[in-house]
Amino acid sequence: AQSVTQLGSHVSVSEGALVLLRCNYSSSVPPYLFWYVQYPNQGLQLLLKYTSAATLVKGINGFEAEFKKSETSFHLTKPSAHMSDAAEYFCAVTRNTGKLIFGQGTTLQVKP
Amino acid sequence: DTGVSQDPRHKITKRGQNVTFRCDPISEHNRLYWYRQTLGQGPEFLTYFQNEAQLEKSRLLSDRFSAERPKGSFSTLEIQRTEQGDSAMYLCASSAREGGTDTQYFGPGTRLTVL
Repeated sequence: AQSVTQLGSHVSVSEGALVLLRCNYSSSVPPYLFWYVQYPNQGLQLLLKYTSAATLVKGINGFEAEFKKSETSFHLTKPSAHMSDAAEYFCAVTRNTGKLIFGQGTTLQVKP
Repeated sequence: DTGVSQDPRHKITKRGQNVTFRCDPISEHNRLYWYRQTLGQGPEFLTYFQNEAQLEKSRLLSDRFSAERPKGSFSTLEIQRTEQGDSAMYLCASSAREGGTDTQYFGPGTRLTVL
């Protein structure tokens, strides 16, 4: 069975600081991994995805994530946080069978 | 290219009433998904369609829930005899094959409040 664990339900950083949001997955077969962002009262927007083409994946808004098979991780990073990055972030996994399995989400707070 | 749209955006109903939500996918996408998201949680899969065929349903989808996708275009999700526990955000997504995998794009969601 697949599952996703996001460590830290709330992360707070200062504007300009490094953003690190953690995601670990469990999958019996090579997974496809995604990060989505959700702003209040909105749907989910795709940030980036891992499809086995490259372990370091670059996404929108300056975010990137690195797939580490040995650690079963797919952590999301951004070198310098901006106030507009404050939102809820979800990591998700699929075996390309259709449905996405989501983590519980991490709320990112950016302090001025 | 318009994105996934959902209607209504908000619905308030009384317990025991029936409600129906609509989702219009991105036009060239043949897969359509429904998810439910409760406060403070990640979305949970409910069901999905490939064209007009409903290929998978979650155990979360009780007998009171039914989804359709006539003609493989828009989809509806109906909840009969609503309960307070049905209060949630209902998200629709559609997908296209990109880079070897199915990439899902989400609509803005329908927030249901059952009083």
